[in-house]
Formats: sequence, C-alpha cells, structure tokens
Amino acid sequence: EAEVAQSPRYKITEKSQAVAFWCDPISGHATLYWYRQILGQGPELLVQFQDESVVDDSQLPKDRFSAERLKGVDSTLKIQPAELGDSAMYLCASSLRNSPLHFGNGTRLTVT
Amino acid sequence: AQSVTQLDSHVSVSEGTPVLLRCNYSSSYSPSLFWYVQHPNKGLQLLLKYTSAATLVKGINGFEAEFKKSETSFHLTKPSAHMSDAAEYFCVVNKWGAQKLVFGQGTRLTINP
Repeated sequence: EAEVAQSPRYKITEKSQAVAFWCDPISGHATLYWYRQILGQGPELLVQFQDESVVDDSQLPKDRFSAERLKGVDSTLKIQPAELGDSAMYLCASSLRNSPLHFGNGTRLTVT
Repeated sequence: AQSVTQLDSHVSVSEGTPVLLRCNYSSSYSPSLFWYVQHPNKGLQLLLKYTSAATLVKGINGFEAEFKKSETSFHLTKPSAHMSDAAEYFCVVNKWGAQKLVFGQGTRLTINP
C-alpha cells in the first residue's frame, strides 16, 4: 500500500536555529496537510494545501513557520527560528477529495 | 464549530476482555466521524469512519463503533483485546465536505497480559 513519506524521522536542533521537514504524499493525492502533535495531545492542523495553493493556514505561526508545495506534489515545512515550545511530532497527511487522510510516520523535533 | 471529547485519557484492560473507548461529539451539522490509532512513534492509521450510512460501523482489526445521534456519542469497541491493540486512539470529527479534521485528546489503551 502506498505511504506518505516524511523525513527526517528525528531532528534535534538548538533554539534559534532553522529546521526543515519534508513530506512526499501518496501519488495523486491533491490535498496535503501538516499537523503538529504535542506530547500527550491530539494533532492540530497547521496548514492545508489543495494542489499548490494554501487553503487553510489559520493556525500556522507565520512569524516563524512557513510551508510550501511549489509543484503541488511534495512539501516542505520550515521553522526559523526554532523555540523550545516547538518540540513536538510534525505529521504530514494526504488525501483525495472527501476521502480519509493517510498519515506519514512523522518527524519528531526536539529543540534544546 | 465541531469538537470531540474523549472521556477517558487512559483505559487499561486484560488481554481477551472487551474494550470500550468513549467519545462524545459536538457538531452543528451532520458530522463525519472517525477513529484513528497511533502506535508509538508512528503516524496515525484509520480504524473506521462514519459518514451517515449505517450507524454501526465495522473497522479493521475487529474494532467497531456505533453512532448514536440521541446521545451524541461514537464509542469504539472490540469484543476481545489483543496485546497488539496497545496504542493511542483518537476520535475525530470532520465537517461534511470541509476536509478539516478536529482531533480529540486521545485515549491511551494498555493491555495487561
């Protein structure tokens, strides 16, 4: 079964540094999502793409976070500068229209 | 606005006994409801979904859930727990047609041998 690919699996960075995560959705899935999951909580949506366009970034801290999906396929989520409170699991998901989401295994970020 | 409340943060059962994970939802519209499972350091896997067809929904790995509109509930059950069921379970609501999921806080299921 096709999977959503994410890299890296783990990332440790110092505060004030820049960090980037990559996601490759399932082929043909036009909708791509980035979620943040703080330890002990449910995932929260950061940004949603439909093809290359952002359709919802209302919960994205835009002063430090950015996301792009230039060709409507893979996507990058960047944090600059990282803060201690950014330590979390960052999950990417993709879907066909009106279909359930398929999640990747996530990137666990630790900011020291 | 849509929301879900998972009534138990942690459930512990013995292997071979029934599992019940409780979820109440709030929605102004006819909701789509899901249960996802997350094993340690893994992404989320869809267990089952309700989209206004049959109220009793069967999912993977022997899990099922019943949509009860009168009680605004969508509890997850399994007749007999297996050690491999130990994981975090999330109840999720989606506004129909909006593709915007709202997750509950999760219930950690522990299986005792």
